[in-house]
Amino acid sequence: QKEVEQNSGPLSVPEGAIASLNCTYSDRVSQSFFWYRQYSGKSPELIMSIYSNGDKEDGRFTAQLNKASQYVSLLIRDSQPSDSATYLCAVNMGSGAGSYQLTFGKGTKLSVIP
Amino acid sequence: GAVVSQHPSWVICKSGTSVKIECRSLDFQATTMFWYRQFPKQSLMLMATSNEGSKATYEQGVEKDKFLINHASLTLSTLTVTSAHPEDSSFYICSASRSSSISEQYFGPGTRLTVT
Repeated sequence: QKEVEQNSGPLSVPEGAIASLNCTYSDRVSQSFFWYRQYSGKSPELIMSIYSNGDKEDGRFTAQLNKASQYVSLLIRDSQPSDSATYLCAVNMGSGAGSYQLTFGKGTKLSVIP
Repeated sequence: GAVVSQHPSWVICKSGTSVKIECRSLDFQATTMFWYRQFPKQSLMLMATSNEGSKATYEQGVEKDKFLINHASLTLSTLTVTSAHPEDSSFYICSASRSSSISEQYFGPGTRLTVT
């Protein structure tokens, strides 16, 4: 069973702090990793993709990938109330037919307190 | 950009009727399109994967005769919910990926279906 695990939260952080969201995955051959943000009642929005070990920064967002530990994280610096949403971790697992499918975690709900 | 639209954004229909939902990639050609369903406070559930010009691949437990998917072109896929029942009421979301980055999916805004 290919799985993506996230802490459901809610994760509460004060405005201006760093929010750290974590995700683990079960399949060692996974190649592509994504973070989506989903506001209540809306569809997911792609905010970060990462494919190789290390850090990838985009504005206030930093994705970190450690394939040896099967772990991917998202850091949000200078958190704003507008960052309050559910963050979904998604992993492209496997090869062959259907290799482009994503397996989603259940999401971590982030609440940024003004 | 990578913009995906869906139409309608919400629909109310009577039990037993059929509803068609359109998904379009507006500024890119979508090699593959995906259909998801999301119930309140639950995560996304992949229903099916479709490639242009070929039959959709349905996930286990999804009735292919009830959820008809047509991927007529590289920019359009449709999902038809046939003989809808109240338990089909859900948030239906499509996504699309480009051949250049096939695992990166861009989501449409979703269609909220209510069956009365």
